[in-house]
Amino acid sequence: EAEVAQSPRYKITEKSQAVAFWCDPISGHATLYWYRQILGQGPELLVQFQDESVVDDSQLPKDRFSAERLKGVDSTLKIQPAELGDSAMYLCASKKARETQYFGPGTRLLVL
Amino acid sequence: GQQLNQSPQSMFIQEGEDVSMNCTSSSIFNTWLWYKQEPGEGPVLLIALYKAGELTSNGRLTAQFGITRKDSFLNISASIPSDVGIYFCAGPNNNAGNMLTFGGGTRLMVKP
Repeated sequence: EAEVAQSPRYKITEKSQAVAFWCDPISGHATLYWYRQILGQGPELLVQFQDESVVDDSQLPKDRFSAERLKGVDSTLKIQPAELGDSAMYLCASKKARETQYFGPGTRLLVL
Repeated sequence: GQQLNQSPQSMFIQEGEDVSMNCTSSSIFNTWLWYKQEPGEGPVLLIALYKAGELTSNGRLTAQFGITRKDSFLNISASIPSDVGIYFCAGPNNNAGNMLTFGGGTRLMVKP
């Protein structure tokens, strides 16, 4: 069964460093989402792509976060510089039109 | 914005017991989704509900979409240790690109 792939699974970094996460959605899924999940809470949307275009990035802290999906397939989420409060699970999800979202295993980030 | 409230926040039960958890909203959702998340993993879709009043089962899991479209419940019958995890309800925000809004989750612990 096809799955959403994410890497790395775990990342430890020091504050003020740059980090990047990668997501490969299920083949054929035009919509891609990045969520942030703080420990003990539900996921919260950061950015939504439709193919290569950003649909919604209203919750993305644009002073330090950026996301791209240049060819409309895989996507990268970057944080520069990382802050202590960025420690969280970063989840990628994808979907086809009129279907539900499928999540990847996530990247757990710890900022020291 | 739309918010989903889940209760209880956590449950500690004996193996074999039945479990019931619910999710409520102040606004109408046209779709209700139930996800399970295990430690260190992304959420996995359990059940999707699309019609008010709909009752859907998936093995030992049963979920219902409330008539008012403002609530849903999830039942697990004859719980087993592998049911341990966090159960999230979610619904698409029809005014925001169908981004998912998640509840805070119900943490389930099962004692063998």
